[in-house]
Amino acid sequence: QQQVKQSPQSLIVQKGGISIINCAYENTAFDYFPWYQQFPGKGPALLIAIRPDVSEKKEGRFTISFNKSAKQFSLHIMDSQPGDSATYFCAARLNQISFGAGTTVTVRA
Amino acid sequence: NAGVTQTPKFQVLKTGQSMTLQCAQDMNHNSMYWYRQDPGMGLRLIYYSASEGTTDKGEVPNGYNVSRLNKREFSLRLESAAPSQTSVYFCASSVGQAGVDAFFGQGTRLTVV
Repeated sequence: QQQVKQSPQSLIVQKGGISIINCAYENTAFDYFPWYQQFPGKGPALLIAIRPDVSEKKEGRFTISFNKSAKQFSLHIMDSQPGDSATYFCAARLNQISFGAGTTVTVRA
Repeated sequence: NAGVTQTPKFQVLKTGQSMTLQCAQDMNHNSMYWYRQDPGMGLRLIYYSASEGTTDKGEVPNGYNVSRLNKREFSLRLESAAPSQTSVYFCASSVGQAGVDAFFGQGTRLTVV
């Protein structure tokens, strides 16, 4: 069973809107929570990552919010653009990286 | 500036056939990984090699073997392919073990009929 549960499975957002992807975990020993972006026909690539002692991290239009007590974290894509259309994976690291199931984001122009 | 190179990109096998997926990285990374990606399952770790000369099982190792040929190359072998091994396979590498900034190859789409 997956150690990181991700939702929704897919979402559609209008250009300029906000995309929100949520993830939850159980193992409090995870020490790093990365997000990956994958375009069709390509391998995943690191987008942004956060440590559990930080509540928020922002890089450009991408923000991770981390709630340690709830064991949840989320990715917000602000001002979504058609070029953001991709599959996004949350993940958590202990000895190895465990991936969520992925969210396919479609940004309509 | 190749990064992680996987061959082949596509392959169709018959049940029971064997094949080896090749992976090479040119970034002088110590750790290398093989993942499989299935719809609704994310990426699952098959095997990894923390450093040259070592290999370890990941989450889903059954039906696979690996060889860390040298620091650059890490191959994945299917000895007797089964339809359940139909998947997209990704090789990745990172400087240190379980590095979140791992570089991924472009994948091998394998179909077992």
